[in-house]
Amino acid sequence: DAKTTQPNSMESNEEEPVHLPCNHSTISGTDYIHWYRQLPSQGPEYVIHGLTSNVNNRMASLAIAEDRKSSTLILHRATLRDAAVYYCILPGNTGKLIFGQGTTLQVKP
Amino acid sequence: DTAVSQTPKYLVTQMGNDKSIKCEQNLGHDTMYWYKQDSKKFLKIMFSYNNKELIINETVPNRFSPKSPDKAHLNLHINSLELGDSAVYFCASSPFRTGSNEKLFFGSGTQLSVL
Repeated sequence: DAKTTQPNSMESNEEEPVHLPCNHSTISGTDYIHWYRQLPSQGPEYVIHGLTSNVNNRMASLAIAEDRKSSTLILHRATLRDAAVYYCILPGNTGKLIFGQGTTLQVKP
Repeated sequence: DTAVSQTPKYLVTQMGNDKSIKCEQNLGHDTMYWYKQDSKKFLKIMFSYNNKELIINETVPNRFSPKSPDKAHLNLHINSLELGDSAVYFCASSPFRTGSNEKLFFGSGTQLSVL
């Protein structure tokens, strides 16, 4: 399964946009890019996923580079409730979600 | 209604005991999983079942035995508990057989403490 690289931590101010980067240079043509997040003391929660085109849902947007070797999760207006660990994952054909260290997002009031 | 529910939420037990964690999903999904999150917060897949059939079995000690009586339930039985088994165990489900386009839905976890 292809590996992803994310910064260990990021900070944001409340109500400002947040851009969480992810590098996945060994991605294969059929790998979907998934993002999950884990709030404190909770199970991981699906955020968004995409293959080639940019994707939007009520939680976030996913911007995928044209060569698909990187992607960015965009939270349009961060709230205190968005403080969590964000995981960028490429399940591969097996569908196994292999969680890395993720990016710990702190949101300041 | 809770989509993926696990019981118990907390489990404290002595070394050497046998314990079970139950998981149920009411989403009508075909595939269920067990993940383990250790003290360093890394989440690792342990098992996956599709329609009661074992499809993923990572390198997990034989003391861990998953059981799926039907596709809505996946229980985890652990024999001869050891200190290193202390972790948070998460159950999850996905609609179909595993694939790159699948979304997973996780339970809220069972915190197991072995004394």
